[in-house]
Amino acid sequence: GAGVSQSPSNKVTEKGKDVELRCDPISGHTALYWYRQSLGQGLEFLIYFQGNSAPDKSGLPSDRFSAERTGGSVSTLTIQRTQQEDSAVYLCASSLTSGGPETQYFGPGTRLLVL
Amino acid sequence: AQSVTQLGSHVSVSEGALVLLRCNYSSSVPPYLFWYVQYPNQGLQLLLKYTTGATLVKGINGFEAEFKKSETSFHLTKPSAHMSDAAEYFCAVREGGYQKVTFGIGTKLQVIP
Repeated sequence: GAGVSQSPSNKVTEKGKDVELRCDPISGHTALYWYRQSLGQGLEFLIYFQGNSAPDKSGLPSDRFSAERTGGSVSTLTIQRTQQEDSAVYLCASSLTSGGPETQYFGPGTRLLVL
Repeated sequence: AQSVTQLGSHVSVSEGALVLLRCNYSSSVPPYLFWYVQYPNQGLQLLLKYTTGATLVKGINGFEAEFKKSETSFHLTKPSAHMSDAAEYFCAVREGGYQKVTFGIGTKLQVIP
């Protein structure tokens, strides 16, 4: 596609429910990143995928968070047993490779609200 | 470990005035430095980046930033603010050889007519 796409654009859920957020990176981009943007907190790195290598999960805040990237393309971020503090905008970005300062292209984000 | 500090979560300038958004970083190796802009209800887009070479980097919309190693700074400037510059600006650092990009908390720029 022309850019990084994310779905849904908005998600409202109840505390304790599981949610899945989807990211479609730019075709051909081997690197994919997830970030969380909380009010007044800036962008917080969550997880990074590069090709078929093991992902860098060092930013995931708890074991309720997980992510997969199937076939080196689409990625799904899953939050289990959501809590109110999970409310944030979840951003996905992709880049051609990760070996240098390549530009990351960001999706529009998924705005998650946990009631 | 790398980190980024953006001084001032909110900055207001008059239309036509100088824009100066401050960013300081820490990095154990020569860094790659970025400025991103996020307009209301839009995604992040790259303004400019420093990799190697010339320390004064020019970006889109008349913005530029200067890498000063001695000051560990990468401040963003624009000589004359325009109303359309109102947005949130994020400074980011990435250490060469590492994949993780660390972002600052962002600075919201308000342009007053």
